[in-house]
Amino acid sequence: DTAVSQTPKYLVTQMGNDKSIKCEQNLGHDTMYWYKQDSKKFLKIMFSYNNKELIINETVPNRFSPKSPDKAHLNLHINSLELGDSAVYFCASSQVVGTEAFFGQGTRLTVV
Amino acid sequence: GQQLNQSPQSMFIQEGEDVSMNCTSSSIFNTWLWYKQEPGEGPVLLIALYKAGELTSNGRLTAQFGITRKDSFLNISASIPSDVGIYFCAGGGSNYKLTFGKGTLLTVNP
Repeated sequence: DTAVSQTPKYLVTQMGNDKSIKCEQNLGHDTMYWYKQDSKKFLKIMFSYNNKELIINETVPNRFSPKSPDKAHLNLHINSLELGDSAVYFCASSQVVGTEAFFGQGTRLTVV
Repeated sequence: GQQLNQSPQSMFIQEGEDVSMNCTSSSIFNTWLWYKQEPGEGPVLLIALYKAGELTSNGRLTAQFGITRKDSFLNISASIPSDVGIYFCAGGGSNYKLTFGKGTLLTVNP
């Protein structure tokens, strides 16, 4: 029944490792996003995909690589993790780009 | 880039009081959205506004899309303890991005 689901919910890993976060939406939306929420709760968009095509790529280190195998899935792979990557990452989706976005529960990434 | 100024940053109120928070921007937005985030959860959409001047209610919540398209407010009437959380405004512009405010942390004392 979950509209936007992402896994894992918690991820603790060492510096230098590579990790992935998966996201799936069952709302039939055409657009999916990755947002990063820092320790001050500020939400900042990282990427946006529309119909599997990348349409927004904010100033994000190229260690972060999103992949959308189909409209319902948007995964985030992070290479060579750094301490500063520790944050909560949210996946979201919307029917139309830049409109009502529905968020997943978040993945709390802790890099040690 | 587009920025939103959300205020107040935090509020401490007594149960039963009314609450008001707002967002302003130097940029015009086509959409204004209000979200609530509880600890350990993702933001949940409360109200969506699409027309300048639009006033929309969702239970005890009321939000308005400013006539200049550069601001929006959210009111909560007769607050209850479960209203506790962080409230975010978000503006949708012609750049196809949602820009979020920095949030208003609401604490309700029973």
